[in-house]
Amino acid sequence: AQSVTQLDSQVPVFEEAPVELRCNYSSSVSVYLFWYVQYPNQGLQLLLKYLSGSTLVKGINGFEAEFNKSQTSFHLRKPSVHISDTAEYFCAVKNFSGAQKLVFGQGTRLTINP
Amino acid sequence: DTGVSQNPRHKITKRGQNVTFRCDPISEHNRLYWYRQTLGQGPEFLTYFQNEAQLEKSRLLSDRFSAERPKGSFSTLEIQRTEQGDSAMYLCASSSRQTTNEKLFFGSGTQLSVL
Repeated sequence: AQSVTQLDSQVPVFEEAPVELRCNYSSSVSVYLFWYVQYPNQGLQLLLKYLSGSTLVKGINGFEAEFNKSQTSFHLRKPSVHISDTAEYFCAVKNFSGAQKLVFGQGTRLTINP
Repeated sequence: DTGVSQNPRHKITKRGQNVTFRCDPISEHNRLYWYRQTLGQGPEFLTYFQNEAQLEKSRLLSDRFSAERPKGSFSTLEIQRTEQGDSAMYLCASSSRQTTNEKLFFGSGTQLSVL
């Protein structure tokens, strides 16, 4: 079984500041890793994913994440945030086995202050 | 690409009543998923269809819950004898193995309130 822990339920930052949203996972098998974003009154959208290859992955809207296998982490970063980045961010994992189930973390609410 | 459509957007019902939600996936997507999201939590997997076959089902899906995808296009999720604990946002997502490389497209959800 897999589990995902997002260490911060809320992260307030000022506009143009850098941000890191933390994600740790637990799994007995190899996994794919994802970050999804949920803007107010919208469905979840994929920000980025790690399937294989380079451990640093770049996504939409200037976000990137780094897969660290030894620390079982997949932290999300952005060097300079914008007001429009205010949203709920979810980390998720899916095992390699072919099962289609995505396991999500509890979410981190990112609030950008002017 | 019109996106994943879910209806209704909101449903208020009394405890003990049956409710049914509908999901229309992106037209060329053969994979369809249902998730449930409660306040302050991430989405929890309920079930997965590939075409019309229900291939995965969570233990969260009690015998009061049933999902169908009769022609491999739209899907319905029915909850019988609703309980207050069923109050949640029910999310539908779709994907295509050929084109999306593990990317799910989510609808905006159906918010269920059981009084």
